[in-house]
Amino acid sequence: KAGVTQTPRYLIKTRGQQVTLSCSPISGHRSVSWYQQTPGQGLQFLFEYFSETQRNKGNFPGRFSGRQFSNSRSEMNVSTLELGDSALYLCASSLSPGDPRGYTFGSGTRLTVV
Amino acid sequence: AQKITQTQPGMFVQEKEAVTLDCTYDTSDPSYGLFWYKQPSSGEMIFLIYQGSYDQQNATEGRYSLNFQKARKSANLVISASQLGDSAMYFCAMRENYGGSQGNLIFGKGTKLSVKP
Repeated sequence: KAGVTQTPRYLIKTRGQQVTLSCSPISGHRSVSWYQQTPGQGLQFLFEYFSETQRNKGNFPGRFSGRQFSNSRSEMNVSTLELGDSALYLCASSLSPGDPRGYTFGSGTRLTVV
Repeated sequence: AQKITQTQPGMFVQEKEAVTLDCTYDTSDPSYGLFWYKQPSSGEMIFLIYQGSYDQQNATEGRYSLNFQKARKSANLVISASQLGDSAMYFCAMRENYGGSQGNLIFGKGTKLSVKP
């Protein structure tokens, strides 16, 4: 079966711009979670979506937002980019929410803000 | 206070030998799950093994085993017969309120394992 697909793989943006990242879960998976990975802070939870509803949200400013579509695909958006937003953004999908045993991660989108 | 602590930033192991990666955790929730993930240079997080807080026996998955010591709040990963392909970052993670419908993963800082031929 196809894995979790994240696009684009790499992205370079300028401070102040906004960016949208996409995640297509494994077929049949209805839950999608997003994590940010940086050298300083490590892996931090951003949000979790299930059936187009945000179920859980991490401690990130309002510049970080997301959504999930009826086909379970998810997007996250970061507005007014800052240098500190440079990170690897990982998406994970699962059959049901909150069960990391079923998490399958994508390869991530590496965002560089200059 | 950190909820997941991995005290070994980097580890070296000789091919075919066993290696233990340390992880301690901190929670007051009686229901939690502990997980180990592998992250190769490609960036993808690969699930290796999990242990529920109520599980009586230590989890094993092929060459991976989890040495769960509940009283000491430790969940060390043991990799037997190391292979060159095991070289990667390894992350310990915890989910509180395990069994509930919500609950994100809390990750440690990771341990970089290098397997020498």
